Amino acid sequence: NAGVTQTPKFQVLKTGQSMTLQCAQDMNHNSMYWYRQDPGMGLRLIYYSASEGTTDKGEVPNGYNVSRLNKREFSLRLESAAPSQTSVYFCASRETGGGYGYTFGSGTRLTVV
Amino acid sequence: AQSVAQPEDQVNVAEGNPLTVKCTYSVSGNPYLFWYVQYPNRGLQFLLKYITGDNLVKGSYGFEAEFNKSQTSFHLKKPSALVSDSALYFCAVSQYNTDKLIFGTGTRLQVFP
Repeated sequence: NAGVTQTPKFQVLKTGQSMTLQCAQDMNHNSMYWYRQDPGMGLRLIYYSASEGTTDKGEVPNGYNVSRLNKREFSLRLESAAPSQTSVYFCASRETGGGYGYTFGSGTRLTVV
Repeated sequence: AQSVAQPEDQVNVAEGNPLTVKCTYSVSGNPYLFWYVQYPNRGLQFLLKYITGDNLVKGSYGFEAEFNKSQTSFHLKKPSALVSDSALYFCAVSQYNTDKLIFGTGTRLQVFP
């Protein structure tokens, strides 16, 4: 029962490099999300996808792009990494509807030097 | 706009004593409210939620939360704290028929032996 799987778990990038964070869920959820977690700021929504084929910006989308490849997978891409993107990134999924909570992945700790 | 406030960055309590972690919210219409817990270097885990019905909801690990509509609060409680309860706790709110959860900034609970 894997739930939400994120890869990689850790990554160090140099400023200007690009990378893609991968997320997959096996619960047949329609909605998927990318958050970043920074000390003292809680979780901030980067992008989300309410269903396959749709994506929407969240609170802090600048510097990121996303792809909802299929119902299972939702990737987050940093085209040109900056030190301000050093953070812990969490992917989550849920059933459609306000009464459902999220299932979170275990996170990706990204450091940009 | 939806928002969540967790007024305490940290709560300290002695093992065996009752604990309360505070949360207030702002949302149009009826709220859906959630509590999550995060242990070090882990993703967020669901504790409990309020959708409708009884104002006192019970969740995992002996935690409970009380929904108070007049005070727009959803405080997390436990009658007797354990050292193993030490973690970061997040309150979150969702508005009916929306896709997104809005998270508070988190409260670190420290339970001392």
